[in-house]
Parts: sequence; C-alpha cells; structure tokens
Amino acid sequence: DVKVTQSSRYLVKRTGEKVFLECVQDMDHENMFWYRQDPGLGLRLIYFSYDVKMKEKGDIPEGYSVSREKKERFSLILESASTNQTSMYLCASSTGGANQPQHFGDGTRLSIL
Amino acid sequence: AQKITQTQPGMFVQEKEAVTLDCTYDTSDQSYGLFWYKQPSSGEMIFLIYQGSYDEQNATEGRYSLNFQKARKSANLVISASQLGDSAMYFCAMREWNTDKLIFGTGTRLQVFP
Repeated sequence: DVKVTQSSRYLVKRTGEKVFLECVQDMDHENMFWYRQDPGLGLRLIYFSYDVKMKEKGDIPEGYSVSREKKERFSLILESASTNQTSMYLCASSTGGANQPQHFGDGTRLSIL
Repeated sequence: AQKITQTQPGMFVQEKEAVTLDCTYDTSDQSYGLFWYKQPSSGEMIFLIYQGSYDEQNATEGRYSLNFQKARKSANLVISASQLGDSAMYFCAMREWNTDKLIFGTGTRLQVFP
C-alpha cells in the first residue's frame, strides 16, 4: 500500500513565523502535490513537482514556496505565516499514469494565530 | 477553463438505500479522467473510482458505480446499499489532459441515517 505521511496532524503557529510542512511518500512516485482545503471551496492546488528539484505553481501559490531535494520528500513553506493561511493542508503523490489516482496523506490542520 | 461542479452541499440517505451524488464538468479536452474521493471526518482522502473519457463502460468498484454521460458532461457517483460508514464528504475531480493535475469540486457531505 502507498503511504503518504505528513509530519503533523495539528499545528499552531503565530503570524509572521516561517512554517514548514513536511510530506514523505514511500512508493517512489515521481509526482507530488500540495493542496489546501477550505469549507465550500474544495481542494485547491498550491504547488506540485514532477521531479527532484523541480516545482510548478498551482492555482494559489502566493505566500507559499516548496522544496524537493529528494524524490520521496516534498516540503511546503509558509515564508511569513498570516491568519488567512489557517487551513487544512493535504499532500499527495502519484505515478502519473493516466488512470492512476493521487494518494493523499492524512492532512495537517494549521492554525495561524 | 476547466471546472468541476457539485451542486449538492449535503445529502441524506437511509441505511441500505441507494444514493446518487451529482458531478458535472467543463472541459474542451477530448481526453481526460474523472475521479471520486471520499473524505471521512478523520480527514484522509480515499480514492473510490475512476472513469476515463474514452471508457465506453461505466466504471464500477464494489458498491460504487459511476454514471458517466459524456454528452451531458456528467459523472455522477452512485452508492448502492448505503452503510453508516459511508457518511463522509465526497469529492469529484478531473485530471487535466497530459498533466497529473487534479481539479476538484466543492464536495458533497453525505449523511447516512439508520
């Protein structure tokens, strides 16, 4: 079974802090993704990566950056956290095959005070 | 722009009954894929079923089936014989052609009552 592990289920940080959300997958997947989920808005793509050291902006990249130094690890960085970044963050990975689903971690509920 | 629309914010169904969750999509691509995910209150996203745009048969996976009507651009999820454990949020998503990016709908919260 594919395992996508997010480092924290719940996280509380203060405005202005630099926040790191970590994601690790154990299935040698090329593709990795970061989404945020807000009520009534569904999941929105922040950043994604098709390879090590490669990154592409998603639909809502402002205020975020990412790092992928190793194939199995994809980090989301909030450079200077703000209250409007309070949300549920979900990481996913996939092989990229046409009928292959993305596999998700359990999510991180991030609160910015 | 590609878009997924789920018009039912919430649905109720009695245990053992069937329920249909609606999903319509908008795309100009000829090739695309449609996915349904389940999200229980614990938060994880669970893949349920996939339908490719060129698949002639409706996809089925156990109690889940996808009612795919290409001309109407709809991909409704049908859950047969509902169980209490089916209570969750359900998301419809579309894969963009030639990428692995998913576009999600806003979700439908299903509640199954005894």
